[in-house]
Amino acid sequence: AQRVTQPEKLLSVFKGAPVELKCNYSYSGSPELFWYVQYSRQRLQLLLRHISRESIKGFTADLNKGETSFHLKKPFAQEEDSAMYYCALRGGSWGKLQFGAGTQVVVTP
Amino acid sequence: DVKVTQSSRYLVKRTGEKVFLECVQDMDHENMFWYRQDPGLGLRLIYFSYDVKMKEKGDIPEGYSVSREKKERFSLILESASTNQTSMYLCASSRGIRNEKLFFGSGTQLSVL
Repeated sequence: AQRVTQPEKLLSVFKGAPVELKCNYSYSGSPELFWYVQYSRQRLQLLLRHISRESIKGFTADLNKGETSFHLKKPFAQEEDSAMYYCALRGGSWGKLQFGAGTQVVVTP
Repeated sequence: DVKVTQSSRYLVKRTGEKVFLECVQDMDHENMFWYRQDPGLGLRLIYFSYDVKMKEKGDIPEGYSVSREKKERFSLILESASTNQTSMYLCASSRGIRNEKLFFGSGTQLSVL
């Protein structure tokens, strides 16, 4: 069975401080991992995906198969980063997305 | 940009009522999904469809059914609403078999009294 675990329900950081959102997964095959974000009063949207190896809005995430993790990082948090972040895994023959419970990030000035 | 439209932003229904949640997408996407979003539980997949008239159960299909008569429309049906179905319901769509990027609607907050 596949599972996505986000251990932090709430992450409060100061503006300019580094922020790291943890995501651990369990999946027997080769996973594809994503981060989705929901800003206040906006729709849930894709932030980044591991296969793209991209940096979006200063965020990066590296897939660590040994530790089965896909942590999201940003070196200097901004107030506009305040949002709910969901880690998601795609596995299986068809590929439906399994989401974690989400981490609420609050960036204070 | 893709637009996924959910017909209602807020709904209040009574226990036992039959409830219809409608979702329409305008980008000719093959795949459509219904999730419910609950604090502390994240998003849980109820049903999905990868083609017209096709449907597959997600992780929590009990108490729900779906209908996809046209490619652009995916309806979620609560046959007999119960209080534990009070939740935020999100519809999403994506293209192709690899369904890499989901496009979400703005959600329907359903309260069952």
